[in-house]
Amino acid sequence: EPEVTQTPSHQVTQMGQEVILRCVPISNHLYFYWYRQILGQKVEFLVSFYNNEISEKSEIFDDQFSVERPDGSNFTLKIRSTKLEDSAMYFCASRVRSTNTEAFFGQGTRLTVV
Amino acid sequence: AQSVTQLDSHVSVSEGTPVLLRCNYSSSYSPSLFWYVQHPNKGLQLLLKYTSAATLVKGINGFEAEFKKSETSFHLTKPSAHMSDAAEYFCVVTLSYNTDKLIFGTGTRLQVFP
Repeated sequence: EPEVTQTPSHQVTQMGQEVILRCVPISNHLYFYWYRQILGQKVEFLVSFYNNEISEKSEIFDDQFSVERPDGSNFTLKIRSTKLEDSAMYFCASRVRSTNTEAFFGQGTRLTVV
Repeated sequence: AQSVTQLDSHVSVSEGTPVLLRCNYSSSYSPSLFWYVQHPNKGLQLLLKYTSAATLVKGINGFEAEFKKSETSFHLTKPSAHMSDAAEYFCVVTLSYNTDKLIFGTGTRLQVFP
């Protein structure tokens, strides 16, 4: 069964460092997302991406965040200068269409900023 | 504004007894509704979805949910709980108009006792 894969599963980084979280969506999917879940809190939308551009982003997704689909298979989330409050589980998701279909989620990357 | 409310943060049941996890939504448009499950240290797995077809939706592992427009509810049920059902359950809504982001409820942690 096709699945969304994320790497790494865990990442520890020092405050102020750049991190790149990687995702490989399901191959025939066209819509891609990043969500995050701070420990003990709800899953929050960060950004959606379609046709090589951001289609929607939340208030959380400020200038420190960026997304890219560099090679037609990977979908990355970059945090330029990490803060302690960026520590969370980050989930990548993909969908074949934007509406009326389920999103398939990866296993997540646990980011810890120290 | 669109939102989704899970009324119980924790639900505890005995193995073999029914499960009811409650979810209410607020939406100005016809929603698509989903239930996802998250087992410890695992990603988010789709249990079932409602996308304007049959109001009673059957999912995996014996779960089902009924969409009730008059009550703006989408409660998740299972006739007989199994130990392996212990997990976090998320009710998720997405609109069919001008946004495709998924909005998560706060989650319900289901405990199953032998």
